[in-house]
Amino acid sequence: GAVVSQHPSRVICKSGTSVKIECRSLDFQATTMFWYRQFPKQSLMLMATSNEGSKATYEQGVEKDKFLINHASLTLSTLTVTSAHPEDSSFYICSARDPSGGFQETQYFGPGTRLLVL
Amino acid sequence: QKEVEQDPGPLSVPEGAIVSLNCTYSNSAFQYFMWYRQYSRKGPELLMYTYSSGNKEDGRFTAQVDKSSKYISLFIRDSQPSDSATYLCAMSADFGNEKLTFGTGTRLTIIP
Repeated sequence: GAVVSQHPSRVICKSGTSVKIECRSLDFQATTMFWYRQFPKQSLMLMATSNEGSKATYEQGVEKDKFLINHASLTLSTLTVTSAHPEDSSFYICSARDPSGGFQETQYFGPGTRLLVL
Repeated sequence: QKEVEQDPGPLSVPEGAIVSLNCTYSNSAFQYFMWYRQYSRKGPELLMYTYSSGNKEDGRFTAQVDKSSKYISLFIRDSQPSDSATYLCAMSADFGNEKLTFGTGTRLTIIP
């Protein structure tokens, strides 16, 4: 199957700093990428849908000024957590859809980025 | 009420047993049903995908969907220790609507 990578895999930062997380589709071009957040023992919650060359669509309750998304190319989307606070500590996972395949079968997930804000 | 309910477990079964994992949902618009496997500190991996009601089999895995009861199941036959992971159900509505609504996941341990 297709491969989606995330970088970094783990980050620890001080409260008030900004953190950038990269999501890359390695062997396909993804017009759409998704960003999820997963708290311990909870389900993945969709934060935003990122479309190449246009503004991201945020889910209700997700602050777009705090979670900046840039989908500058067909293989790269970035999520920047601005002025991070301890409550932003979570597991952030991206997914990318390979448009060359079928429908839901072709949404591939990255390995996730664990963010800890001190 | 959550849109998708899934027992978080943990569930422990002996190696070789049949495992049954389930989700219920409330949104009758859901038509696409998926099961993902997630190992610790990793992203989810798609296991099974079904459309509407019915059964689908892939090796040791069988997915069942009963839309009338809003209930989906994943069965794992001849369970192996390598099957130990968290299993998440996920659903979406219309074709082209790629937003997935996930269950909380069930943590499964297969005991050798």
